[in-house]
Amino acid sequence: GQQVMQIPQYQHVQEGEDFTTYCNSSTTLSNIQWYKQRPGGHPVFLIQLVKSGEVKKQKRLTFQFGEAKKNSSLHITATQTTDVGTYFCAGGDNQGGKLIFGQGTELSVKP
Amino acid sequence: NAGVTQTPKFQVLKTGQSMTLQCAQDMNHEYMSWYRQDPGMGLRLIHYSVGAGITDQGEVPNGYNVSRSTTEDFPLRLLSAAPSQTSVYFCASGPGHITYNEQFFGPGTRLTVL
Repeated sequence: GQQVMQIPQYQHVQEGEDFTTYCNSSTTLSNIQWYKQRPGGHPVFLIQLVKSGEVKKQKRLTFQFGEAKKNSSLHITATQTTDVGTYFCAGGDNQGGKLIFGQGTELSVKP
Repeated sequence: NAGVTQTPKFQVLKTGQSMTLQCAQDMNHEYMSWYRQDPGMGLRLIHYSVGAGITDQGEVPNGYNVSRSTTEDFPLRLLSAAPSQTSVYFCASGPGHITYNEQFFGPGTRLTVL
């Protein structure tokens, strides 16, 4: 079945450093969504990418969707302690009806 | 709006017991789903529904049943609890087509099976 792999599993950074998490799918995705889960909380939607090669920015966060629609990345510039949490990508299957999540990347930020 | 609500927040079961995790949403969303979250495994889809009366299996459906008799409610039933079902369960809902719409998650139910 469709799989979405996400790396790294953990990332520890010093405040002010950059952070990137990557997602790769075994099949072409219809779209990709990104979610953030704070410790003890529930996933919260960040953004959706639909078009091949799409790039979107939200302040210090940059999201990319690969040309082949099989991979995506989230880059955070100059991390802050408020960025702490687990970031998940979720790919839509082309049959429509399922959103398959990656394993998540847990980000910790040392002040 | 309350959004997506889940009850209970915490539950401890003994092996073999059955129970129902409740999920309700007041946003008139067509799509609802159940995920389980385990360390290092991310969120895995258990069952989902694209509308009242329609349900389908996700990645890990074994040991779970669902039904969708109304737009608002999507309960998840554990038929005979096993220790492998110890997990955090999240219910989510979204408007319209799942893959093209933001999913709203409930606060989760933390289940322990002894």
